Amino acid sequence: EAGVTQFPSHSVIEKGQTVTLRCDPISGHDNLYWYRRVMGKEIKFLLHFVKESKQDESGMPNNRFLAERTGGTYSTLKVQPAELEDSGVYFCASSQLGGVANTEAFFGQGTRLTVV
Amino acid sequence: EDQVTQSPEALRLQEGESSSLNCSYTVSGLRGLFWYRQDPGKGPEFLFTLYSAGEEKEKERLKATLTKKESFLHITAPKPEDSATYLCAVQARGGSYIPTFGRGTSLIVHP
Repeated sequence: EAGVTQFPSHSVIEKGQTVTLRCDPISGHDNLYWYRRVMGKEIKFLLHFVKESKQDESGMPNNRFLAERTGGTYSTLKVQPAELEDSGVYFCASSQLGGVANTEAFFGQGTRLTVV
Repeated sequence: EDQVTQSPEALRLQEGESSSLNCSYTVSGLRGLFWYRQDPGKGPEFLFTLYSAGEEKEKERLKATLTKKESFLHITAPKPEDSATYLCAVQARGGSYIPTFGRGTSLIVHP
């Protein structure tokens, strides 16, 4: 069974540019989560999809971040325009609907975003 | 506000040298406490969930315990392959289920 896959694994962009991160969850997992870890700090929740619907986006930093999950399959997280403080590792996780929220989630390997 | 503090930040052990990692938490009613292992360049891998004080769970050389204020991850006779960052997270009862993570303990086990 394929795990959670994230693309790209690394991205270096200039301040002001746009970057789109992609997450392919485990097939059949309706829950999809985005997290971010800024260097030296803890992992922070960004948002949660149930199928194609945003269940909770309270962790999104500001309106420069836009997440979508078309058709309830893969998800994208776009940062536009990117700022220096957006640098960090972005994780995606997925879980089956009905599982204990987040505890049985499987994480992707993360996308390391560096804004210069 | 929920808080999770992990200690030590880093730990170096010799192979076979048992030790414990600490996760202290402050939460308005604990729903669950979770331990994850994270290897370099990878995402967190779920290890355990603990729900109530006194609960213990084991997996190979790892044993997690829980009290009302903290959790310990005991590592017995560690091997180099146990080297990783160990993360703790808590979920509060009621309201948002969003977990609060600690910053992790980086464990290195020398052969």
